Amino acid sequence: GENVEQHPSTLSVQEGDSAVIKCTYSDSASNYFPWYKQELGKRPQLIIDIRSNVGEKKDQRIAVTLNKTAKHFSLHITETQPEDSAVYFCAGKAGGGNKLTFGTGTQLKVEL
Amino acid sequence: DTAVSQTPKYLVTQMGNDKSIKCEQNLGHDTMYWYKQDSKKFLKIMFSYNNKELIINETVPNRFSPKSPDKAHLNLHINSLELGDSAVYFCASSPRPGSSYEQYFGPGTRLTVT
Repeated sequence: GENVEQHPSTLSVQEGDSAVIKCTYSDSASNYFPWYKQELGKRPQLIIDIRSNVGEKKDQRIAVTLNKTAKHFSLHITETQPEDSAVYFCAGKAGGGNKLTFGTGTQLKVEL
Repeated sequence: DTAVSQTPKYLVTQMGNDKSIKCEQNLGHDTMYWYKQDSKKFLKIMFSYNNKELIINETVPNRFSPKSPDKAHLNLHINSLELGDSAVYFCASSPRPGSSYEQYFGPGTRLTVT
């Protein structure tokens, strides 16, 4: 089955700096890669996703890149703000169903 | 206008007890899930139902039994609770495969077994 690895497990940046979180996946048939943000005590929520036929997608300060050959994808957050502090999960989906395999999460802390 | 709701929000119980968590979604989605999030924040899928039919059953002890009375509801019953069952349990739902893959999570149920 699919295996998704995520790095780093914790990331601390200064406000205004950029943050990058990286994930690798094992199943070459994976075709959908979402990123979820989970604030403390809250539910995970989708912030951006990318399908396997696209190499990059951007939404304001966040962007996701996908390298299918290397089987890795990354989340980029620019001009970080304190409200970006949260746990971020990458995930991969293989096959035709909706099953997501989540990475182990990255605790992002944006310091003033 | 709650999309995915769960009850209860908190559940504190003793080892050996049996408890249930309920989940409801009003999004008209076909697929529902149960996830377990442990103290290290790992999100692990447990079960998935599509239109009341079980489609994903990960390696979960038989003490856990999901039940879907209709496609808007997915409940989780846990027998003989153990200390290791303490976690946050999230229900989620998603539309028909192919239309969108986004999963909408409920607020979570924090289960504490003492």
